[in-house]
Amino acid sequence: DIQMTQSPSSLSASVGDRVTITCRASQGIRNDLGWYQKKPGKAPKRLIYAASGLQSGVPSRFSGSGFGTEFNLTISSLQPDDFATYYCLQHSSYPSITFGQGTRLEIK
Amino acid sequence: EVQLVESGGGVAPPGGSLRLSCEGSGFSFGTYSMNWVRQAPGKGLEWVSSISSRSAKTYYADSVVGRFTISRDNAKNSLFLQMNGLRDEDTAVYYCAREGYGDYQPDYWGQGTLVTVSS
Repeated sequence: DIQMTQSPSSLSASVGDRVTITCRASQGIRNDLGWYQKKPGKAPKRLIYAASGLQSGVPSRFSGSGFGTEFNLTISSLQPDDFATYYCLQHSSYPSITFGQGTRLEIK
Repeated sequence: EVQLVESGGGVAPPGGSLRLSCEGSGFSFGTYSMNWVRQAPGKGLEWVSSISSRSAKTYYADSVVGRFTISRDNAKNSLFLQMNGLRDEDTAVYYCAREGYGDYQPDYWGQGTLVTVSS
């Protein structure tokens, strides 16, 4: 099984900060990776597909990068609505897709 | 607008059964593969099962194989998850998720339905 390790597990930041979340795969997964935002009681929302593709309707302050085993999600200037938990997802081993353990982004 | 609405969650005893449903709207339901993903209390997201657009292929996580059955009725724009032999560790919010066309990962999700396994 492909394991996805996210870091950090939690992060405190302020509105306007630039933040980066990292996801590492236990083996190469090309660019078969997406990023999701999850808020309590709400449906997960896809932000990024194919490692760097911006989902339609998602603000351009979100960006993704990486290939192979290391991937980043960057928020260029945090907004109040961005405080949430973020998950990476690999689908290289489709249909057995696996998520990272999540990164909780909190207000400082 | 793509919408997915789950139902059928509730409380069941260990060893019991529940059947979850998910109704899709705002897209051509029968064209897309569909997934169930769950989140246990205080835990992360876990893929549970998926089914191809015309039900030809079904897949399961090791943790549920032999106990859960995924199915769909395209005429009714509906996805199902029959859960038998429930265990404490199956307690979670269960999400229905559409698989993006050709990109092998969920793109739209429902709000979820809570399943609690408790005696």
